Amino acid sequence: GDSVTQMEGPVTLSEEAFLTINCTYTATGYPSLFWYVQYPGEGLQLLLKATKADDKGSNKGFEATYRKETTSFHLEKGSVQVSDSAVYFCALRSIGTASKLTFGTGTRLQVTL
Amino acid sequence: NAGVTQTPKFQVLKTGQSMTLQCAQDMNHEYMSWYRQDPGMGLRLIHYSVGAGITDQGEVPNGYNVSRSTTEDFPLRLLSAAPSQTSVYFCASSYHTVQNTEAFFGQGTRLTVV
Repeated sequence: GDSVTQMEGPVTLSEEAFLTINCTYTATGYPSLFWYVQYPGEGLQLLLKATKADDKGSNKGFEATYRKETTSFHLEKGSVQVSDSAVYFCALRSIGTASKLTFGTGTRLQVTL
Repeated sequence: NAGVTQTPKFQVLKTGQSMTLQCAQDMNHEYMSWYRQDPGMGLRLIHYSVGAGITDQGEVPNGYNVSRSTTEDFPLRLLSAAPSQTSVYFCASSYHTVQNTEAFFGQGTRLTVV
C-alpha cells in the first residue's frame, strides 16, 4: 500500500538558516504529492503540491521537487523565519484510492532568533 | 466562506460516555473524512465518505461510527469512549476523484477521555 516516510524531528534552526525536511514515498503509479503545514492550535493547510515527475511546487519561499527516480519530495527553504515554526506533513494521493490522503508522521520545526 | 467547521474545539469525556463530533463544509465537496492525530503517528484515517449516503472505513475505524445524510455534514460518533480515544480529531473535505485537489481541514477537536 501507499506510505510516506518523513525525517523525524524536532528540527531546531536559527532564523535565516537553510531548511530541508526529507520525504520519501511508496505508491503505485504516479501519485500527487503535497506538503501541509500545521501552525500551533490550528488545522492543516496546504503549503504546496506537485502532480507529476520533475514538477516543482512552491509557496511562501518553500519549494519541493517531485523526484520519481528517488521517490522523494523534500521540502526546502533558503532562509527560515520564526513565523515558520510549525509541524510539516508530507502526503500523497494515488489514483484509485478514493481520494484518500496518506500522511507522513510530521516534522516539527522550531526557529529561534 | 467558512470552509470546514468543526465543533466542539475541546471536550473531556468520562470512560463509557458517548458524544458526537460535528463537521460541516460549505464548499460542496463530495469527499469528507475524519482523521485522528497522535504524537509520533501523524494523521490516521478513521472513516471517509464519497457522497451523501456513502461511507467507508479507514485505517482505524474501531470505536467510531459515521453517517452522511447530506453533502455538507459528516458527524463522527463515539458510542462508548475509551482512554485510547484521547486524541486530536480533524475533519477534512475535498473534491472526489481529482487526484491533485487540495484537502481543506477543520481546526480540530481536542478530546480527552478520563
